[in-house]
Order: sequence, then structure tokens, then C-alpha cells
Amino acid sequence: NAGVTQTPKFRILKIGQSMTLQCAQDMNHNYMYWYRQDPGMGLKLIYYSVGAGITDKGEVPNGYNVSRSTTEDFPLRLELAAPSQTSVYFCASSGASGSRGTDTQYFGPGTRLTVL
Amino acid sequence: KQEVTQIPAALSVPEGENLVLNCSFTDSAIYNLQWFRQDPGKGLTSLLLIQSSQREQTSGRLNASLDKSSGRSTLYIAASQPGDSATYLCAVRDYGQNFVFGPGTRLSVLP
Repeated sequence: NAGVTQTPKFRILKIGQSMTLQCAQDMNHNYMYWYRQDPGMGLKLIYYSVGAGITDKGEVPNGYNVSRSTTEDFPLRLELAAPSQTSVYFCASSGASGSRGTDTQYFGPGTRLTVL
Repeated sequence: KQEVTQIPAALSVPEGENLVLNCSFTDSAIYNLQWFRQDPGKGLTSLLLIQSSQREQTSGRLNASLDKSSGRSTLYIAASQPGDSATYLCAVRDYGQNFVFGPGTRLSVLP
């Protein structure tokens, strides 16, 4: 198993540009999450999904959008990038199919995004 | 609103020492608490998960305890090694899908 994979690893955007951060997992997990981590801070939840076709907002959703068309993929879309979105973005998944997502969260390696 | 703090922010110890990392949370209505390790430039790796009904979990040299009533958890690392050097984060989950992370404790174990 590759676990949770994220692409790209690094990206520099100009203010106002848009991009999609990709996340995929091969563990058949129902639950998937997007977090951002700012320097010296804990992770903050942006969006999460409890299954294909179902997404919901986390603590800091403004400026982001997500979709979940398959169990495996959970892309995060940034529209009109702003310097405040400079951060490291982590995708995570948990819970085998049929579970209530009580299992351990497995994280991807992260995407380091800079908005100039 | 749930808030999670971790003390100390950084810790440096000589190899072989036993050490304790602390995590505090403000709302005791949690579903579970998880301890993670993060190496520089990498993602998070789960170390231990404690359900709200449990008091502690152990894995090798690691032991995590949970006291919901006082809003505290500790991570005990026995016989520390240089390979334990990393940032350790705790996270609490409520009964929905809200996860709140602490800022982490940066640990350095000196050979």
C-alpha cells in the first residue's frame, strides 16, 4: 500500500491564481481530511469527507473547496490564492469501509504552498 | 471552543533519560485523544490513540495516559534515544469530526 499520497510537494502561486492540491489513499478509508499547518501552530481542519459524495466544512474553510467523487480521491481547490493561504497542507484518512471512522488517522507527506 | 495546549514547547534531554510530554484540553467532552510524531518536513505518524473510556495506552517505550475530568494527557517516553528527536503533537476529537491539535513539543535527544 502507498498509504496517503499528495501532489505536488511544493508550489509557488501568485496572488489571485488558483490550483488544486491532489490527495489519494489506497486503504479503502471512508473518512478523509484536509488540514493546514502554519509555522509553530497545530493543524487546523479545513474540510472533511465521510464518504464519496459527502463533504463538510471544518474550522477554516474560507477560500477553499473540496469534492469527493470517489473513495480514493479528495482534491482541495484554492480559488483566488491569497498570502494568508501560505502554509503546509496535509491530507489524512481514517476508518476502514463500514467503520465509524474511529481509527487512527494516516497522513500524507504534505504540500508546501507559498503565495506571493 | 476546544483549545489544546502542550507544555513544554521544546525539550532537550541526554540520551537514556525518561521524559514526560504534557497535553491539556479545555473541553472534557472528547471522543478520543491521539498522540502523533512529526519529523521535519514530513507528515504526521500516529503513535497512540486513547478512546475516551480508556485511561492509558502503551506501545513499546511509549505510554500515554488520559484524565478526561482534568483535561490532561501525558506521553511518557522511556529510555529516550536520538531517533526519538521530533515534534510530538496531541489532538483531541469531539463526537463529530472535529479534530483540534495542540502546537506540539519539539524534542531533541542528545547522544
